[in-house]
Amino acid sequence: DAGVTQSPTHLIKTRGQQVTLRCSPKSGHDTVSWYQQALGQGPQFIFQYYEEEERQRGNFPDRFSGHQFPNYSSELNVNALLLGDSALYLCASRTYNEQFFGPGTRLTVL
Amino acid sequence: GENVEQHPSTLSVQEGDSAVIKCTYSDSASNYFPWYKQELGKRPQLIIDIRSNVGEKKDQRIAVTLNKTAKHFSLHITETQPEDSAVYFCAAVLSNSNSGYALNFGKGTSLLVTP
Repeated sequence: DAGVTQSPTHLIKTRGQQVTLRCSPKSGHDTVSWYQQALGQGPQFIFQYYEEEERQRGNFPDRFSGHQFPNYSSELNVNALLLGDSALYLCASRTYNEQFFGPGTRLTVL
Repeated sequence: GENVEQHPSTLSVQEGDSAVIKCTYSDSASNYFPWYKQELGKRPQLIIDIRSNVGEKKDQRIAVTLNKTAKHFSLHITETQPEDSAVYFCAAVLSNSNSGYALNFGKGTSLLVTP
């Protein structure tokens, strides 16, 4: 079992561009959450997907959107990138209460 | 929404000493409190958790206590080792099928264990 996987590992974009990040949950998990972790901060909840629908959303603008596929994998899309979007983006999948995190995608916006 | 505060932000102890990290939460309905350890450049890893119907939980050198009345919970690490050096995050959540499972994290405690 590979656990939660994410791609790509690192990404560099310029302001105004769009980005798509990908996540595959741990085997047997059907719920995927996305978090943004700025340098030196705790992860901030973006949104959560279950049964291909967004079930819960944190305090993030509509520029942040997502999708979940029938195989439970998920994508995070960010449009009109800002410098402040530079962060580590973490995906987590869940069984019962326990959430397991992927290694993250480090996004740098120049 | 839930607000989690964590103290201290940095903690330095000598190998073999104990370390204590404290968190408070604002939403009395929160019922699940995990702790994560994040080493530099790596993913957060769940090290211990506690549910609101339990006051204390222990796993080898790590223990967590919960005071629901005061709305605070603490992580205790005994006999610290250099490999315990990392950033520790507490989190709180109202965990049920209706409210979802969004973790609300504290800002983290950077623990340094010196030999």
